[in-house]
Amino acid sequence: QVHLVESGGGVVQPGGSLRLSCAASGFTFSNYGMHWVRQAPGKGLEWVTFIENDGNTKYYADSVKGRFSISRDNSKSTLYLQMNTLRAEDTAVYYCANWGRSGSSPYYIYYIDVWGKGTTVTVSS
Amino acid sequence: EIVLTQSPGTLSLSPGERATLSCRASQSVSSNFLVWYQQRPGQAPRLLIYGASNRATGIPDRFSGSGSGTDFTLTISRLEPEDFAVYFCLHNGGSLWTFGQGTKVEI
Repeated sequence: QVHLVESGGGVVQPGGSLRLSCAASGFTFSNYGMHWVRQAPGKGLEWVTFIENDGNTKYYADSVKGRFSISRDNSKSTLYLQMNTLRAEDTAVYYCANWGRSGSSPYYIYYIDVWGKGTTVTVSS
Repeated sequence: EIVLTQSPGTLSLSPGERATLSCRASQSVSSNFLVWYQQRPGQAPRLLIYGASNRATGIPDRFSGSGSGTDFTLTISRLEPEDFAVYFCLHNGGSLWTFGQGTKVEI
């Protein structure tokens, strides 16, 4: 059973930095791409970033490009999100989620599958 | 960039009724790339439907997805008390993922 646990959230001042972690278990972490998705208080979901299973390909939303960096340690089954130059609008619950798929090659259907419970980041002076 | 618009914003229904939720894309998208999630208050989102019409593991058959091109629908045939929640659609863009703004299904 896929299990994802985020940690590292907290209160940080504007311009500050924070590193989030996501500990994965119940599946072969090194076989799966991973996402970070956030949700501002009372708002909808916003995709933040994605990393391929081998860590070589990464994508970012424009709102975080150049400030956030995604990485992973497959030996520790852990995903990271380094957040720099934080702004008030980065305040949100941050979820990690795995990149699942169904079907058979080459006709896979991909989707953001299992989500962790999230960790809260508050950017405030 | 694909923009997903969900309607209505809020759907007020009673248990046992049928719910029909819409997700409209700003341009035609492949059905394979359209996904639906449920989010109950205080919880993380849960995968419901992938590839526009495929139920995820463990999802009751009262949930169904349909559509193609720019218009997609999530239908809940008979609402159960636990179905009152917010529903989001998602487009897998390959290098950019986009969520709709959500539809709240309330009693």
